[in-house]
Amino acid sequence: EPEVTQTPSHQVTQMGQEVILRCVPISNHLYFYWYRQILGQKVEFLVSFYNNEISEKSEIFDDQFSVERPDGSNFTLKIRSTKLEDSAMYFCAAWQIGAEAFFGQGTRLTVV
Amino acid sequence: GIQVEQSPPDLILQEGANSTLRCNFSDSVNNLQWFHQNPWGQLINLFYIPSGTKQNGRLSATTVATERYSLLYISSSQTTDSGVYFCAVPRMEDSWGKLQFGAGTQVVVTP
Repeated sequence: EPEVTQTPSHQVTQMGQEVILRCVPISNHLYFYWYRQILGQKVEFLVSFYNNEISEKSEIFDDQFSVERPDGSNFTLKIRSTKLEDSAMYFCAAWQIGAEAFFGQGTRLTVV
Repeated sequence: GIQVEQSPPDLILQEGANSTLRCNFSDSVNNLQWFHQNPWGQLINLFYIPSGTKQNGRLSATTVATERYSLLYISSSQTTDSGVYFCAVPRMEDSWGKLQFGAGTQVVVTP
């Protein structure tokens, strides 16, 4: 099965610090996504990325978030100034038209 | 946007029992996926099933797109089946890859 790889698996950061979550999506997929899951809640869409730009973002994805694909392989989610409520599991996903979406194993972000 | 409802919210099973999980959605969809979230938080793809029936070992799934529901069957459950089961469908008609998740069914299988 195709793999989406995320690093790190767990990150602890101080409130106000910047974090970068990294993802290596499936090489021949063109559509990439970040999702978030606060502990005990459902998985929520954050942002989609296609052709090196954001194609859609949710109301959660405010100015403190940004995404980029700096080198054509890695896909990153940056949170500029973390808040306690940013503590969650963050999932990267890749998708190709007419097929299923594949999710990475997630990064558990803990803001203290 | 589309609404996704899963039932039951919680399920406790004894090892060896069978069960059915349900996913209802409010609009026509061209994509539906079932996931298992294991105790480590990982989302494992179970089925990509826009319509019809598929089987994978002790698990099977059926989607009746015209009636806007999907069912996940677990047969001869094992303790490793414990976790949360999510169904997910496209958020809007033209957003196949952007998924709207249900709230999940928490399954606990006891020895």
